[in-house]
Amino acid sequence: EADIYQTPRYLVIGTGKKITLECSQTMGHDKMYWYQQDPGMELHLIHYSYGVNSTEKGDLSSESTVSRIRTEHFPLTLESARPSHTSQYLCASSGWDSFSGNTIYFGEGSWLTVV
Amino acid sequence: AQSVTQLDSQVPVFEEAPVELRCNYSSSVSVYLFWYVQYPNQGLQLLLKYLSGSTLVKGINGFEAEFNKSQTSFHLRKPSVHISDTAEYFCAVSDRKAAGNKLTFGGGTRVLVKP
Repeated sequence: EADIYQTPRYLVIGTGKKITLECSQTMGHDKMYWYQQDPGMELHLIHYSYGVNSTEKGDLSSESTVSRIRTEHFPLTLESARPSHTSQYLCASSGWDSFSGNTIYFGEGSWLTVV
Repeated sequence: AQSVTQLDSQVPVFEEAPVELRCNYSSSVSVYLFWYVQYPNQGLQLLLKYLSGSTLVKGINGFEAEFNKSQTSFHLRKPSVHISDTAEYFCAVSDRKAAGNKLTFGGGTRVLVKP
């Protein structure tokens, strides 16, 4: 069972507000990811990190930013939320061990609605 | 770069009937293959994965998948479904040699199990 946690699970916020979605994992994984998923649609990678102080943009352009100051923590921030940011955001992590290989484990997701 | 095609966006099936979800991928490099399940309002849970070895992979909840390299397919099957299998299923691949092992997802297949 994966130990990766996201908060908040659900958030409704007004346009222009700053929000931070938290993601923490207790598995000591070096790699972490943020995926965005619009309702009924596929997932797209928006950010990833190979380790502390490493962050990269993903395949889908996003106005959000991320930071990786600690191995276990990978928060995502929107400085000024807009209705177009309404989506589900899924955090994930992966490491290597002989059992799981390069398996990526997901959190339960954060549903963001911007009104 | 990789791409994943899930040929069926929705699959209605009666309880206790078999189900097959089709997944084809395209990649210029060797890949790892995964199936994830997403229950309503939840994150993704790993069903099974193919890393190497036997091409028939068994996962949780009675699911299995077969890797066919010549057809670049990784179809998911279950011989007898339950109501609780109603969910969205995502096929995904990652580059074996890439440091970040980022996932590329298919568009998802929504399975609706009817009594």
